[in-house]
Amino acid sequence: DAKTTQPTSMDCAEGRAANLPCNHSTISGNEYVYWYRQIHSQGPQYIIHGLKNNETNEMASLIITEDRKSSTLILPHATLRDTAVYYCIVRVRNGGSQGNLIFGKGTKLSVKP
Amino acid sequence: EPEVTQTPSHQVTQMGQEVILRCVPISNHLYFYWYRQILGQKVEFLVSFYNNEISEKSEIFDDQFSVERPDGSNFTLKIRSTKLEDSAMYFCASIKQGHSYEQYFGPGTRLTVT
Repeated sequence: DAKTTQPTSMDCAEGRAANLPCNHSTISGNEYVYWYRQIHSQGPQYIIHGLKNNETNEMASLIITEDRKSSTLILPHATLRDTAVYYCIVRVRNGGSQGNLIFGKGTKLSVKP
Repeated sequence: EPEVTQTPSHQVTQMGQEVILRCVPISNHLYFYWYRQILGQKVEFLVSFYNNEISEKSEIFDDQFSVERPDGSNFTLKIRSTKLEDSAMYFCASIKQGHSYEQYFGPGTRLTVT
């Protein structure tokens, strides 16, 4: 699986957009970008994934650069409850039996009032 | 919304004792995982399980660990002889067949070995 690089920490004001970057310069053509988050010692929570097109769901938007070497997770209106560690994970989509996730250290996002 | 549940939420045990951590995955999911997270460290993959057998395991998952799906709903992780370094949060996760994007994680069991 391709390696990812994320900033250790970021701050964001409540109500503003939080933009979390991720570098994955060695990503291969069949690897997807996944984002998960972990709110203080809870189980990780899936947020969004993408291959090459930008994606949006009810939680966030994912912007992937054209060369796929980096991506940005956008939380459009951050709330205090979005304070968490955010993980960018790159891996091949498997049939499921080998779908184990490799977590890095992630970005600790602190949303401040 | 369906969710993965885990029991107990906190387990305290003495070194050398056996512990069993229990998970109830989402009912129509077929692939199951255990992860652990030592305090302040990364979430680490332990083992994946499908069709009543281990699909993949990490180096952490040595002979002291075993997994079982004893019935149609529970998925268990057993540690035969606990060590101090087994103290961690243990997370269970599951996915639907053919939908490996989104793993659903349980709330975790905090294991404290004294």
